Amino acid sequence: NAGVTQTPKFRVLKTGQSMTLLCAQDMNHEYMYWYRQDPGMGLRLIHYSVGEGTTAKGEVPDGYNVSRLKKQNFLLGLESAAPSQTSVYFCASRADRGIYNEQFFGPGTRLTVL
Amino acid sequence: EDQVTQSPEALRLQEGESSSLNCSYTVSGLRGLFWYRQDPGKGPEFLFTLYSAGEEKEKERLKATLTKKESFLHITAPKPEDSATYLCAVQARGGTSYGKLTFGQGTILTVHP
Repeated sequence: NAGVTQTPKFRVLKTGQSMTLLCAQDMNHEYMYWYRQDPGMGLRLIHYSVGEGTTAKGEVPDGYNVSRLKKQNFLLGLESAAPSQTSVYFCASRADRGIYNEQFFGPGTRLTVL
Repeated sequence: EDQVTQSPEALRLQEGESSSLNCSYTVSGLRGLFWYRQDPGKGPEFLFTLYSAGEEKEKERLKATLTKKESFLHITAPKPEDSATYLCAVQARGGTSYGKLTFGQGTILTVHP
């Protein structure tokens, strides 16, 4: 099993450009999450999904959109990138076996917005 | 609002020098406390989940403990390969069941040979 994979690993955008980050998991997990990690801020939840076709806002959703058309994939979109969105983005997934389940994280995407 | 504070921000140890990392938390009813390890340029890797005060879990040189207000990650006789950032996160009871985690900022551990 590959676990949680993220594409791309690195990306540089100019202000106003758009892009989509792809997260894929092969563990048949119901729950998927998108986080951003900034120095001194810890990991913050952007959006999450509790199953195929569902999405919901996390702590810092502004400027991002998500889609979960297939159970194994969770896409994070930036419609008009801003320098404040320069960050490292992590995707995570979790099984639905009850309440005590750890989240498994992908390797991250480092995004720079100029 | 749930809060997690980790200390120290950075810790430098000599190989074999045991120490502890602290994670203080405030949460409206703790459902679970999670410890993760993060290597540079990689995603967090799950270490432990603790559910109730008094609980302890061990893995190799690491031992995690939990009280009603804080958790400790004890590192016994560390080796250079234990160097990483250690993250603590809490999951609160109640509300939606989507498993929201609140993370601390992490402790950067460096173990010198």
